[in-house]
Amino acid sequence: DVQLVESGGGLVQPGGSLRLSCGASGFTFSSYWMSWVRQAPGKGLEWVADINQDGSKKYYVDSVKGRFTISRDNAKNSVYLEMSSLRAEDTAIYYCATDPPCGSDCYTLDFWGQGILVTVSS
Amino acid sequence: DVVMTQSPLSLPVTLGQSASISCRSSQSLVNRDGNTFLNWFQQRPGQSPRRLIYKVSKRDSGVPDRFSGSGSGTDFTLQISRVEAEDVGVYYCMQGTHWPPYTFGQGTKLEIK
Repeated sequence: DVQLVESGGGLVQPGGSLRLSCGASGFTFSSYWMSWVRQAPGKGLEWVADINQDGSKKYYVDSVKGRFTISRDNAKNSVYLEMSSLRAEDTAIYYCATDPPCGSDCYTLDFWGQGILVTVSS
Repeated sequence: DVVMTQSPLSLPVTLGQSASISCRSSQSLVNRDGNTFLNWFQQRPGQSPRRLIYKVSKRDSGVPDRFSGSGSGTDFTLQISRVEAEDVGVYYCMQGTHWPPYTFGQGTKLEIK
């Protein structure tokens, strides 16, 4: 079974930094794009970032460009989200999700982790 | 970016009755290869999202056949027949055709009357 487990969340002051991790198992990690999606308290879903299989291609939502960096370590089956210059509006549950290679499905997010809460507050 | 608009935002349904959620995109979701990358997700209270439907109408493994997706171009529908208590939650559509970015609808909250 596919498992995605996020870690590294917590309370951080405005302007601070945090690194989220997502450990993956149950599938061939190195064959998948990986995504981060966030959900502010009581709000909807917002895609944050994507990284391709070898880490050479990265895409971000405009609101985090220049502040967040997505990366991965295929040897550790892990994807990361380095967040800096954090703002109150970055407060959210952050989910990692699998973005499958084009085959039977594509341009989708098929499995999600349980999420990790990031709170930006003084 | 493509804007996804869902309606209604709140959907009270009687157990055993049907429910229908509409999702409209600001641009056609037909890709140049002819595919349409429209997805539906369910988020039960306190849980992470779960994909139900991809490519408009393809149901994920384990998803009851009470759930069906349809539509084309810019207009899409998620139909739930014979609503059960376990269907309570928020439903989101998401487009992948014009990625990046992926964009989601606002969500439709289904509740039991």
